[in-house]
Amino acid sequence: NAGVTQTPKFQVLKTGQSMTLQCAQDMNHNSMYWYRQDPGMGLRLIYYSASEGTTDKGEVPNGYNVSRLNKREFSLRLESAAPSQTSVYFCASRPEGGYSNQPQHFGDGTRLSIL
Amino acid sequence: GNSVTQMEGPVTLSEEAFLTINCTYTATGYPSLFWYVQYPGEGLQLLLKATKADDKGSNKGFEATYRKETTSFHLEKGSVQVSDSAVYFCALSARNQFYFGTGTSLTVIP
Repeated sequence: NAGVTQTPKFQVLKTGQSMTLQCAQDMNHNSMYWYRQDPGMGLRLIYYSASEGTTDKGEVPNGYNVSRLNKREFSLRLESAAPSQTSVYFCASRPEGGYSNQPQHFGDGTRLSIL
Repeated sequence: GNSVTQMEGPVTLSEEAFLTINCTYTATGYPSLFWYVQYPGEGLQLLLKATKADDKGSNKGFEATYRKETTSFHLEKGSVQVSDSAVYFCALSARNQFYFGTGTSLTVIP
């Protein structure tokens, strides 16, 4: 079972470059999420998509854009990378949103360094 | 608003010691509560969950009880193993979002 697949696993960028982080899930989940994880700060929500066709900002959306391409795929784009965006990025999915008691399922992360 | 506060680490224990990691929450409505575990270089994995007051979640010897009166969901294990070394996150689910604590790093030494 693949679950949530993130690509790439590692990436080094120069300041100002752009890139897209890919995420796909094969569990037929409705909701998908992008987080960043920084030392001592836990996980912070960047954007989420409660269902296909919708996206909403999370706690730290500045400098990022997202696309819910279809039910399976949710991509995160950095238009002009900055050193402050050096982080580990996690994608997660969940069967449904709302007050559901269902857990989120996480990918293995993308480790992004911006020089 | 919604938030989770968990004890800061790092926590270092000897094998077979008793583990408690404290977690308290603030929430509107009736959230579900979760503990996740993260091993080095990996994503978060669900450890256990509880969906209503007085529920006890359990898995792999870990337990946590949803205490509405104290707004707490403390993680416990009676006898830790070296393989339990990881970072543990408490989380709550409300509306479309999850809210995570900052994580507690646990190291178990032989």
